[in-house]
Amino acid sequence: GNSVTQMEGPVTLSEEAFLTINCTYTATGYPSLFWYVQYPGEGLQLLLKATKADDKGSNKGFEATYRKETTSFHLEKGSVQVSDSAVYFCATNAGGTSYGKLTFGQGTILTVHP
Amino acid sequence: DADVTQTPRNRITKTGKRIMLECSQTKGHDRMYWYRQDPGLGLRLIYYSFDVKDINKGEISDGYSVSRQAQAKFSLSLESAIPNQTALYFCATSDPPSYEQYFGPGTRLTVT
Repeated sequence: GNSVTQMEGPVTLSEEAFLTINCTYTATGYPSLFWYVQYPGEGLQLLLKATKADDKGSNKGFEATYRKETTSFHLEKGSVQVSDSAVYFCATNAGGTSYGKLTFGQGTILTVHP
Repeated sequence: DADVTQTPRNRITKTGKRIMLECSQTKGHDRMYWYRQDPGLGLRLIYYSFDVKDINKGEISDGYSVSRQAQAKFSLSLESAIPNQTALYFCATSDPPSYEQYFGPGTRLTVT
């Protein structure tokens, strides 16, 4: 089955620092890849996605590129803000008749200090 | 109003009690999911339903059951709660073509 491995946290940065959260996946076929964000006390919300190799997803200054050759989908942001403090989840979807069913990584806690 | 709602938001119950968590959605999606979140383990799928008549077990369905009462409602039951079911539970919905999942705010369940 599909699996997702995320860089272990927690990650602590100062405001305006560069962020990278690594994500690698194993999946059959041609899955879509997602980054979800969970702010304190809330449910998950989609941050960005990519549906095929070499696609770049972007939103709110975050970017991730679907790299089939390295089976990776690393999340980056050039200058983080305190408001980016949250838990970030990488995910991939299953194929075939279960299409749409997501497999999540374990989550990475990001804390940004002023 | 929120598109995906969950009730209750917090619940404390005792070992052996039956408990039901409810999820309602106004997005008109056919697909609904129940996840469990534990620290360091991410989200794990308990059950999912692709329409009212189609219910499937996820990776950690033991000790749980579900009911899809209507397109908009999907309930999760713990028939006899145990302490290691203490967790944060999320409901989600999705539909083609994007299959993006929309999550509820979660229910924090504590079993003592």
